[in-house]
Amino acid sequence: DAGITQSPRYKITETGRQVTLMCHQTWSHSYMFWYRQDLGHGLRLIYYSAAADITDKGEVPDGYVVSRSKTENFPLTLESATRSQTSVYFCASGRGGNTGELFFGEGSRLTVL
Amino acid sequence: DQQVKQNSPSLSVQEGRISILNCDYTNSMFDYFLWYKKYPAEGPTFLISISSIKDKNEDGRFTVFLNKSAKHLSLHIVPSQPGDSAVYFCAASANNNNDMRFGAGTRLTVKP
Repeated sequence: DAGITQSPRYKITETGRQVTLMCHQTWSHSYMFWYRQDLGHGLRLIYYSAAADITDKGEVPDGYVVSRSKTENFPLTLESATRSQTSVYFCASGRGGNTGELFFGEGSRLTVL
Repeated sequence: DQQVKQNSPSLSVQEGRISILNCDYTNSMFDYFLWYKKYPAEGPTFLISISSIKDKNEDGRFTVFLNKSAKHLSLHIVPSQPGDSAVYFCAASANNNNDMRFGAGTRLTVKP
């Protein structure tokens, strides 16, 4: 079925470890996004990508790395996880432009001990 | 700094009544506004949107009102149903920019 899937759905790691959250979409949307959801802050944009090999920083990019070698995949890597990165991470895709709705995955809950 | 604010963390209404969710923004460059709905353990889903050239957009039981001078928008749900119980996020973006900003969300509970 077409859609957007994230993995893993739940992850517990330790401070300093590298973690990669995966995102895969089957709609062939040009744009993909990573948001984090924290209590009191709503959804904050980490990085987004307009196409393969094109990425841009969002509101809170520090401590994160992204890549987009294929249109359908947009992994998010925490190179050295910190406790402040404990959050729920949502991947989204869309056709682009501010008049386009975003389609979100189910989220990845990450806990950094 | 939070450019999109939802000052009510929660709202409780009776089934059949109107639900009004509010959102304020500070960035006058925002020209497109959206509402998303989120159930527990699911991702947000798009509900309704409005361009800054309009002051109202209606879709079934959902209506969004935009007051640009007050930098305020609201989502009206009439009549409210128990299935509407969810967290509602207000979002805004500017000048065809993909940096969409979200509010903190309002948890709506519709009581039977």
